Amino acid sequence: DAGVIQSPRHEVTEMGQEVTLRCKPISGHNSLFWYRQTMMRGLELLIYFNNNVPIDDSGMPEDRFSAKMPNASFSTLKIQPSEPRDSAVYFCASGGLLGGHRDTQYFGPGTRLTVL
Amino acid sequence: GESVGLHLPTLSVQEGDNSIINCAYSNSASDYFIWYKQESGKGPQFIIDIRSNMDKRQGQRVTVLLNKTVKHLSLQIAATQPGDSAVYFCAENSYDYKLSFGAGTTVTVRA
Repeated sequence: DAGVIQSPRHEVTEMGQEVTLRCKPISGHNSLFWYRQTMMRGLELLIYFNNNVPIDDSGMPEDRFSAKMPNASFSTLKIQPSEPRDSAVYFCASGGLLGGHRDTQYFGPGTRLTVL
Repeated sequence: GESVGLHLPTLSVQEGDNSIINCAYSNSASDYFIWYKQESGKGPQFIIDIRSNMDKRQGQRVTVLLNKTVKHLSLQIAATQPGDSAVYFCAENSYDYKLSFGAGTTVTVRA
């Protein structure tokens, strides 16, 4: 199993530009999570999908952030327009709910975003 | 407010010694706990988990202990190796999908 795949691994952009981060979850997992990690705030949950449907987006910081999951094997996190304070490492994680119970979340390698 | 936190931000251990990483939690409703290891430049990697109906669980070279009375969780690493150098996070869950992560403990293994 290749695990959770994220692209790009590094992204440097200028303030005001659109940024799109991509994630391919582990095959068979029906839950997908987007997190942001910074030194100041640690790991923050941005949004959670279950069976491709957004369940909880309360962690999305602003309307500039949006996420989609068009199918079970692909998700995107978009920031438009980007700002320097968005600089962070963004992780995608996937998990499988077994019979409705909680299951472990497996993280991807992350995308390090730098907004100049 | 309720939070998950770690007692010590850093831990230096001699190669071959055992490591103990501690975690305190305050949400008495939490019933599922996970330890993650994060190496530099990588995502958090699942190490071991434990549910509240257990007080001990063992994996390969790792043991997690749960003391619900004092809301304390620990991760023990036997015979610490250089590859164990990383940041270790505990995470708690009380229902559904949300994990609350601690701040993390940086473990440095001395040769």
